[in-house]
Amino acid sequence: AQSVSQHNHHVILSEAASLELGCNYSYGGTVNLFWYVQYPGQHLQLLLKYFSGDPLVKGIKGFEAEFIKSKFSFNLRKPSVQWSDTAEYFCAVNQIDTDKLIFGTGTRLQVFP
Amino acid sequence: EAGVTQSPTHLIKTRGQQATLRCSPISGHTSVYWYQQALGLGLQFLLWYDEGEERNRGNFPPRFSGRQFPNYSSELNVNALELEDSALYLCASSPVWGGVGANVLTFGAGSRLTVL
Repeated sequence: AQSVSQHNHHVILSEAASLELGCNYSYGGTVNLFWYVQYPGQHLQLLLKYFSGDPLVKGIKGFEAEFIKSKFSFNLRKPSVQWSDTAEYFCAVNQIDTDKLIFGTGTRLQVFP
Repeated sequence: EAGVTQSPTHLIKTRGQQATLRCSPISGHTSVYWYQQALGLGLQFLLWYDEGEERNRGNFPPRFSGRQFPNYSSELNVNALELEDSALYLCASSPVWGGVGANVLTFGAGSRLTVL
């Protein structure tokens, strides 16, 4: 079965540290890729997405992600995190020919001042 | 513009009972998705409705069912509740299937179901 793996379950950083959250998927066909974020007490919301074109995509709040097709990866990065980035981050993959949007298990990020 | 609204916010049931959860999508969105968010398991895809039809279904037993109404609102029914059904049930909506913005989901706050 197709799956989305987020290997970092819980990440703890100090402010200004760099962030990279891993996301790998197992599907070999055409995909759309997403990162969603859930801030404490808030709804899940879209952080960034990749449909086609430049594999390096930029999202809100200084986040970016790079699609590496050969590695089936879509890692999320931010050069310098802030306390307000404390949230849970979910990678999601849309398998075009199945029209399913599959989420990873999420990574909880805690940023300390 | 109102977001995706879900009701009830919390629901407590006992084993064997039935639960009904409701969702109103963003105005103009025709697709509604249901996900189960259980502790440590991330979001598990349950159901997808578009234009009143079930388009896709996740790996859940038939006691999880739902429907979409002509006004695009949706309800999720869970029959014969089991303890492991305790979770946050999230509804999301998106614009018309296959169109621009399709698969970019807007989520509601969720309905927390507790089964005792």
